[in-house]
Amino acid sequence: SQQGEEDPQALSIQEGENATMNCSYKTSINNLQWYRQNSGRGLVHLILIRSNEREKHSGRLRVTLDTSKKSSSLLITASRAADTASYFCATAASNQFYFGTGTSLTVIP
Amino acid sequence: EAEVAQSPRYKITEKSQAVAFWCDPISGHATLYWYRQILGQGPELLVQFQDESVVDDSQLPKDRFSAERLKGVDSTLKIQPAELGDSAMYLCASSLGGNQPQHFGDGTRLSIL
Repeated sequence: SQQGEEDPQALSIQEGENATMNCSYKTSINNLQWYRQNSGRGLVHLILIRSNEREKHSGRLRVTLDTSKKSSSLLITASRAADTASYFCATAASNQFYFGTGTSLTVIP
Repeated sequence: EAEVAQSPRYKITEKSQAVAFWCDPISGHATLYWYRQILGQGPELLVQFQDESVVDDSQLPKDRFSAERLKGVDSTLKIQPAELGDSAMYLCASSLGGNQPQHFGDGTRLSIL
């Protein structure tokens, strides 16, 4: 069974707004990764945050990690129509990966 | 275009038939993964290779699924016989291992009639 659960399942926003999606997981991790998947394509790695890090930035992406609450969030600022995709968190520990259920993001032009 | 090559991109076949998928990972990536993804859900691991050895196939339905990576490079996933419930996207990914990011192919969309 999958370890990660994303929230919300679906999100629809206007272009230019910020999008926030959350991930909760169950067990200890080495790192947590976020991936993006366009319809009909494979997943693309976005950002990795280690268990001893609390926040990480990459361009318009900001990821936070709270290991005490076993949760992470992904913030996309100033969203664009091209950001429309599904976003998945993946927990990594002991060479095992578990992907979450995903958040479907729609950015309306 | 994805760095990990998969073929075919689409496969339509009838139940009870055999089907095979092929994956060529990024050169130098020792770890290779096969995932199944049902529409609207996240990828679920079927099998993980380290070089030519299987390190995790606990979720692989071994009565009908098989996977090999003979020379530790490219890999084949086979289903025989296919069932209606096998309709899904089959994704291959590779990495340097050690919890490093995975690089995915664009998958094979399988439809069983």
